[in-house]
Amino acid sequence: GNSVTQMEGPVTLSEEAFLTINCTYTATGYPSLFWYVQYPGEGLQLLLKATKADDKGSNKGFEATYRKETTSFHLEKGSVQVSDSAVYFCALSDISNTGKLIFGQGTTLQVKP
Amino acid sequence: NAGVTQTPKFQVLKTGQSMTLQCAQDMNHEYMSWYRQDPGMGLRLIHYSVGAGITDQGEVPNGYNVSRSTTEDFPLRLLSAAPSQTSVYFCASTAGQPNEKLFFGSGTQLSVL
Repeated sequence: GNSVTQMEGPVTLSEEAFLTINCTYTATGYPSLFWYVQYPGEGLQLLLKATKADDKGSNKGFEATYRKETTSFHLEKGSVQVSDSAVYFCALSDISNTGKLIFGQGTTLQVKP
Repeated sequence: NAGVTQTPKFQVLKTGQSMTLQCAQDMNHEYMSWYRQDPGMGLRLIHYSVGAGITDQGEVPNGYNVSRSTTEDFPLRLLSAAPSQTSVYFCASTAGQPNEKLFFGSGTQLSVL
């Protein structure tokens, strides 16, 4: 079945450091891929998405490229801020199952001043 | 802009007790779903609904019931609470277009003693 695997956390970085959070997936067909972010005490919010191979999703300085050849959707940011501290979830959605997402285990990011 | 509203925010139950987690959305979304979040396991789908009167099971449905009598409301019932149901529960909704983002509530933290 479909699944998502994220890198183990927590990830601790200094402010202005480069961020990469790895995400790989297993799926039949052509899923859409998402990154959601969860700030402390809140629900999840969509950060970015990509719906087909080679698409790049971007938002708030974060980027991720849908790589079908490596089944990956790694999240990157060139310069993190303390306010980026949160839990990041990679997820996929089969286009025939609207509203149903399969999530990775989440990666906690802590950015220190 | 209320979005997705979950109540209560916190709940402590004794083993064997029953309770209902409430979820309401004011965006006229057709699709609603319940997830549970456990450390190291990401979010897992419990039940979902594609419209009023229609529900279906997700990945981890055992011990939970749902109903969808209106478009706005999607309550989750724990019939006989068990310690394994200690978790954070999130309700989500979406309009139902493929690849459209989910809107999440702020969560219910449930402890079963």
